[in-house]
Amino acid sequence: ILNVEQSPQSLHVQEGDSTNFTCSFPSSNFYALHWYRWETAKSPEALFVMTLNGDEKKKGRISATLNTKEGYSYLYIKGSQPEDSATYLCAFQPPPDFGGGTRLMVKP
Amino acid sequence: ETGVTQTPRHLVMGMTNKKSLKCEQHLGHNAMYWYKQSAKKPLELMFVYNFKEQTENNSVPSRFSPECPNSSHLFLHLHTLQPEDSALYLCASSPSGDNYGYTFGSGTRLTVV
Repeated sequence: ILNVEQSPQSLHVQEGDSTNFTCSFPSSNFYALHWYRWETAKSPEALFVMTLNGDEKKKGRISATLNTKEGYSYLYIKGSQPEDSATYLCAFQPPPDFGGGTRLMVKP
Repeated sequence: ETGVTQTPRHLVMGMTNKKSLKCEQHLGHNAMYWYKQSAKKPLELMFVYNFKEQTENNSVPSRFSPECPNSSHLFLHLHTLQPEDSALYLCASSPSGDNYGYTFGSGTRLTVV
């Protein structure tokens, strides 16, 4: 049983579009929620670690929100660029469990 | 380079072979992890070590045997694997505790023939 679900599985957008995707996780026994960015042929790279309900984090054009009571987190990308093309993973702790990822493709 | 180095990058082995994957980090992290990614599946946690002690074994078959001689090095010893064990094996490290992101290596692409 997959405890962490991400949607959509894949997403194609045009350069300049803003986009968002979802990570759903169990709302009980929560410690932390991670977001990672994984480009092809590279290592997954940590974007955010979120621990408090209502947390909002931002890194450049990428931001994330957290709702631990209802068990979801959103990742937003403003003004997508081709270099944003990657798979975005979320992970729920404990133990951590990873979701299947959202594969984002940004067309120039 | 992320600071977590995995060798080899690619490995092809027969079902009767014995091989080892190596992971090394000099980031001062005290927790190290092995993950497996099979095609079209999420990352699966295999083993967790905290301060050289194994704290999690996620029901991994005994043909995978981890070893953590110190906080900087982690090995995954492989023997009598099956073709379905072909996957990308990722090592990661983090400071101890639940609130830190992981630093991943580039992975070892394993093919069992």
